Amino acid sequence: NAGVTQTPKFRILKIGQSMTLQCTQDMNHNYMYWYRQDPGMGLKLIYYSVGAGITDKGEVPNGYNVSRSTTEDFPLRLELAAPSQTSVYFCASNTGSGLNQPQHFGDGTRLSIL
Amino acid sequence: QKEVEQDPGPLSVPEGAIVSLNCTYSNSAFQYFMWYRQYSRKGPELLMYTYSSGNKEDGRFTAQVDKSSKYISLFIRDSQPSDSATYLCAMSGQAGTALIFGKGTTLSVSS
Repeated sequence: NAGVTQTPKFRILKIGQSMTLQCTQDMNHNYMYWYRQDPGMGLKLIYYSVGAGITDKGEVPNGYNVSRSTTEDFPLRLELAAPSQTSVYFCASNTGSGLNQPQHFGDGTRLSIL
Repeated sequence: QKEVEQDPGPLSVPEGAIVSLNCTYSNSAFQYFMWYRQYSRKGPELLMYTYSSGNKEDGRFTAQVDKSSKYISLFIRDSQPSDSATYLCAMSGQAGTALIFGKGTTLSVSS
């Protein structure tokens, strides 16, 4: 059972480039999340989804977009990369019991924008 | 005042010590409390989960919640080098409200 899988693990982008961070889970979870983790700043929620076709903004959504066409996949897109988006990005999921319940995390994507 | 406050450390202890990690919060609506452990270059993993007030014990780990003081703690007994990690507290209110994470405390246990 793989859990939550994120790809790529590392990426360097130039300012203005775009990319998609991939996230897939094999636990049939309805809820999926994207967080960013900056040094000493904890986890900040970017976007979340309560099921296929439904997404909503979190605390720090500017500069990002998401889609949820299947239960398994929840990609995060950066359209115009900026240095402020240098961070470690984590995808997470949980069952349909609510946003306020424990989540399973992937191992992150480390993104540097130069 | 931030919703969740957590001392970032770092905290260094010898093997076998008792470790106390703490978070304070300001939102009296919080009722779900969690502790996550995060090893270097890995994602957070759930360690303890408590609803409302009281204590919960799991092996060497004990989670305490004091809602009257808006204070939660994680105790680690007989600490091991494998406990070296960053510990994140997280909490939330009723259904429909997202988890709020502390900034994490980095713990180092030396043998």
